[in-house]
Amino acid sequence: QVQLVQSGAEVKKPGASVKVSCKASGYTFTSYYMHWVRQAPGQGLEWMGIINPSGGSTSYAQKFQGRVTMTRDTSTSTVYMELSSLRSEDTAVYYCARAVVPAASPGGWYFDLWGRGTLVTVSS
Amino acid sequence: EIVMTQSPATLSVSPGERATLSCRASQSVSSNLAWYQQKPGQAPRLLIYGASTRATGIPARFSGSGSGTEFTLTISSLQSEDFAVYYCQQWRTFGQGTKVEIK
Repeated sequence: QVQLVQSGAEVKKPGASVKVSCKASGYTFTSYYMHWVRQAPGQGLEWMGIINPSGGSTSYAQKFQGRVTMTRDTSTSTVYMELSSLRSEDTAVYYCARAVVPAASPGGWYFDLWGRGTLVTVSS
Repeated sequence: EIVMTQSPATLSVSPGERATLSCRASQSVSSNLAWYQQKPGQAPRLLIYGASTRATGIPARFSGSGSGTEFTLTISSLQSEDFAVYYCQQWRTFGQGTKVEIK
């Protein structure tokens, strides 16, 4: 079964770090880029960054530069997103999403498979 | 960076009626646009990609059109399960969403 299974909810204090995992199954892990998207309570979707599971290269949204690190483990088909220096505004559901990149239009990626999300709550 | 603007913010529609949602890009994105549906407590679900291609398993009542800067998602006859929030997406940017609610 093609799916992305994310780790469970986390509660963190301001200033701490959180590491969320996303385990892929049912497809060739290294054939699709993986993205992280977050959604604050009652808000829209916000793109955080991308990782290439094949080579491990990453690109992050400027907003998160210096605070986010995305890694992968090809032996377990798992990607990770670590966010540091947490503040209350980071309280959100964090999703991993698999991207399909059309061969004729590399800039036209879309997300065909999503994890169920991981709620991260930042509170003192 | 490209800005995606969706309208209206909320759309009130009766079951069985047609719903038309708009998404405008601040500059041309060709046909590189996707639409997603999100219900409360769930992850987004891909509906349309390439501006007009339905994703696997998406009912024919959902259709997408447009290119360049103006895009439309049409739901031809709203079913109870279609009441949700809809997002457009281009590259790294999502629109702010349109909530389709029962009239």
